[in-house]
Amino acid sequence: QSALTQPASVSGSPGQSITISCTGTSSDVGSYNLVSWYQQHPVKAPKLMIYEGSKRPSGVSNRFSGSKSGNTASLTISGLQAEDEADYYCCSYAGSSTYVVFGGGTKLTVL
Amino acid sequence: EVQLVESGGGLVQPGGSLRLSCAASGFTFSSYAMSWVRQAPGKGLEWVSTMSGSGGSTYYADSVKGRFTISRDNSKNTLSLQMNSLRAEDTAVYYCAKHYHGSGSHLPIFDYWGQGTLVTVSS
Repeated sequence: QSALTQPASVSGSPGQSITISCTGTSSDVGSYNLVSWYQQHPVKAPKLMIYEGSKRPSGVSNRFSGSKSGNTASLTISGLQAEDEADYYCCSYAGSSTYVVFGGGTKLTVL
Repeated sequence: EVQLVESGGGLVQPGGSLRLSCAASGFTFSSYAMSWVRQAPGKGLEWVSTMSGSGGSTYYADSVKGRFTISRDNSKNTLSLQMNSLRAEDTAVYYCAKHYHGSGSHLPIFDYWGQGTLVTVSS
């Protein structure tokens, strides 16, 4: 059982927008603006897509955006493209004791 | 260009030990916290351990506390993970990851990852 809850799968057609949710608690997502999102293609290392809730690293498409409301963070991908098909993981700082928690991952299928 | 290259994985019997290494290049290694994150076959990501840039602070997941030890050699740009008392549930690809912020920060934001090294614990 992962500490953060994500839907197991989401899907969308090319050009559409999808949103992946990541639900935590007041001890992690709700207390800190330190949620990050990672994209992982099969047999590849994860790639940082969003950090500190809504910031994009250099080189990441502006089709990717992040937000947070209460204990739930969200990743939105607009203008879906075939190469967006991958697994997506959220991650949150959880204080000095637990330190960091990941979500269970969401498989995005581009139809 | 930032590069992280893990090594040391392999097949080990339950109760055995293994030492993983991560060779880093392309950035000022001592300025950044580094972490190990693992992924069991077909499963999600699980944070394992973090060490600050200076080596003065360490963090461990409860699942490995007391069995695994993280260390770093800033003169050799190398991160290590000593794994003892290995269990079947430790079977995973182990990734070395660089933290995004430098200057003493150890917030868990991982901007570069190695390709991983597979550890299999089985008799």
